[in-house]
Amino acid sequence: ELKVEQNPLFLSMQEGKNYTIYCNYSTTSDRLYWYRQDPGKSLESLFVLLSNGAVKQEGRLMASLDTKARLSTLHITAAVHDLSATYFCAVAPDVDDMRFGAGTRLTVKP
Amino acid sequence: GAGVSQSPSNKVTEKGKDVELRCDPISGHTALYWYRQSLGQGLEFLIYFQGNSAPDKSGLPSDRFSAERTGGSVSTLTIQRTQQEDSAVYLCASSFRGRAVTDTQYFGPGTRLTVL
Repeated sequence: ELKVEQNPLFLSMQEGKNYTIYCNYSTTSDRLYWYRQDPGKSLESLFVLLSNGAVKQEGRLMASLDTKARLSTLHITAAVHDLSATYFCAVAPDVDDMRFGAGTRLTVKP
Repeated sequence: GAGVSQSPSNKVTEKGKDVELRCDPISGHTALYWYRQSLGQGLEFLIYFQGNSAPDKSGLPSDRFSAERTGGSVSTLTIQRTQQEDSAVYLCASSFRGRAVTDTQYFGPGTRLTVL
């Protein structure tokens, strides 16, 4: 059975600090997604990673993919309060199958 | 439209009643997905449509759940004889299926269902 595991599930960090969220998955997938969800809101697409070694950056967020290790990371640089949200990774092993991790609830404190 | 829309945004119903949730995808998107998100939980994949057909319905939690899509556009998710455990946010997403696209799913705002 395909499993997508994120850690940590809860993350509280100070503004200005760096941290990494990890996403492990248990089967091959040619696509990995990162989404952001603000409280009471829907999901917003952040990154789509399509190949081994792919790295994408947007502002203070950078995502990478290692398909051999079945691992993706979402790195946060110099966190700011606006980044507080829940972050989900998801893999799509098949065209009609999308599996999400449990999410990492990030709180950035001043 | 500009994005995926869902209606109603909130639905409170009594146990045993039927409910119908609607999703209007982004124009031109051929793929449509339904998910369920329970309080504090991740997303549970329910069903996927390519055009009007759903190749795999095994993600639906029980036979009380059904979904259809007509005209390759609007989809409805119907829950019959609702139970309290059906309470959740039901999210719809759509994507464009093509050869060289990343197939990012764009999510609607969700329908918050509360079964009393």
